[in-house]
Amino acid sequence: GAGVSQSPRYKVAKRGQDVALRCDPISGHVSLFWYQQALGQGPEFLTYFQNEAQLDKSGLPSDRFFAERPEGSVSTLKIQRTQQEDSAVYLCASSLAIASRRNEQFFGPGTRLTVL
Amino acid sequence: KNEVEQSPQNLTAQEGEFITINCSYSVGISALHWLQQHPGGGIVSLFMLSSGKKKHGRLIATINIQEKHSSLHITASHPRDSAVYICAVRKYSGGGADGLTFGKGTHLIIQP
Repeated sequence: GAGVSQSPRYKVAKRGQDVALRCDPISGHVSLFWYQQALGQGPEFLTYFQNEAQLDKSGLPSDRFFAERPEGSVSTLKIQRTQQEDSAVYLCASSLAIASRRNEQFFGPGTRLTVL
Repeated sequence: KNEVEQSPQNLTAQEGEFITINCSYSVGISALHWLQQHPGGGIVSLFMLSSGKKKHGRLIATINIQEKHSSLHITASHPRDSAVYICAVRKYSGGGADGLTFGKGTHLIIQP
């Protein structure tokens, strides 16, 4: 497809369960971002990849959150031992280049995670 | 205090009205984005600004760098414009490629 895709679109997990959320960026896009959006709030930055390198993970809320992009394309956000406060929409975005900070980010549809 | 503040938080207007949504920020930025989010979560980028004014169809975005303020205007509003409009900035950190910092969004409802 032409856009950023994410899967699954919806995920219900029991508290304590591990989950993995997938992001397929636009082909050729170097930069990939993960954001967390709680209900009624704006998105908040989690982490950033430049190709396969995770250059910024300052937004990850705890060590239960782990992200990878091993081949510089598809990325996975993993949450271990999920808690109710992890319930949110997880958004992935990609952008083409790295040199300019004026690159437009293209967003995926998000994965809505509900932890019971 | 949030680094990006939007107003109003909620706005209900009649079809055809001129709409203005405001965004103020308190950090140095390299670019400001206006985004549209429909129910279901999908986000669409409307504008990316670093100075001046941009227009696309019935949408106009302006930015005043000195005043750290941006506005999004919708002319001849239509019910299909109903969505959450989010202002986001890319902070000028001097190195690396930071993610965006978002406002909380303005929930717009246009009634027929």
